[in-house]
Amino acid sequence: DIQMTQSPSSLSASVGDRVTITCQASEGISHFVNWYQQKPGKAPKLLIYDVFNLATGVPSRFSGSGSGTHFTFTISSLQPEDFATYYCQQYDNLLALTFGGGTKVEIK
Amino acid sequence: QVQLVQSGSELKKPGASVKVSCKTSGYTFTSHAINWVRQAPGQGLEWMGRINTNTGNPTYAQGFTGRFVFSLDTSVSTAYLQISSLKTEDTAVYYCTRPFGAGAFEIWGQGTMVTVSS
Repeated sequence: DIQMTQSPSSLSASVGDRVTITCQASEGISHFVNWYQQKPGKAPKLLIYDVFNLATGVPSRFSGSGSGTHFTFTISSLQPEDFATYYCQQYDNLLALTFGGGTKVEIK
Repeated sequence: QVQLVQSGSELKKPGASVKVSCKTSGYTFTSHAINWVRQAPGQGLEWMGRINTNTGNPTYAQGFTGRFVFSLDTSVSTAYLQISSLKTEDTAVYYCTRPFGAGAFEIWGQGTMVTVSS
């Protein structure tokens, strides 16, 4: 299975900060990388699909980039409602979809 | 609007079975596969597999073969996850989710907490 190594596992940031999270795939994958936000007690929410496409209704402060094995998720200006856990996910192999370990974004 | 509504929390003893339902509405049931994702307490997300809602053909991820069964009742637009011979390590929230395309999980159920304890 393709492993997705996500870093950091947690970070502390202030409102207005730029936040970057990375995912390293264990082998090269095409554009099949998505990013999700999860708040406590809630289901995950799709933010970015296919590396850089914003899901419906997602604010433009969220963005994604990358190719090959290295993928990046960025929040350009952190808002109070953005404190949550974020996950990357690959679906290059449709028989073995995998998620990264998650990044918890906390208030500094 | 498109919705996935799951059945309520379950408390089971080790060795028992549980069946979680995922009732869909707002779209044609057979147009999208239903995927299942597990989240153990305080842990990350784990893809369990999917079921093709057209053919009923399931695909199970590694680690979810044998005791885990996906099924459908197309007459009521509902997918099911059954887990048999429950173990304490099966304690988790189980989500059903509908992708657009092949693997971007756009719509999620609210989750079903399954607790396995003696």
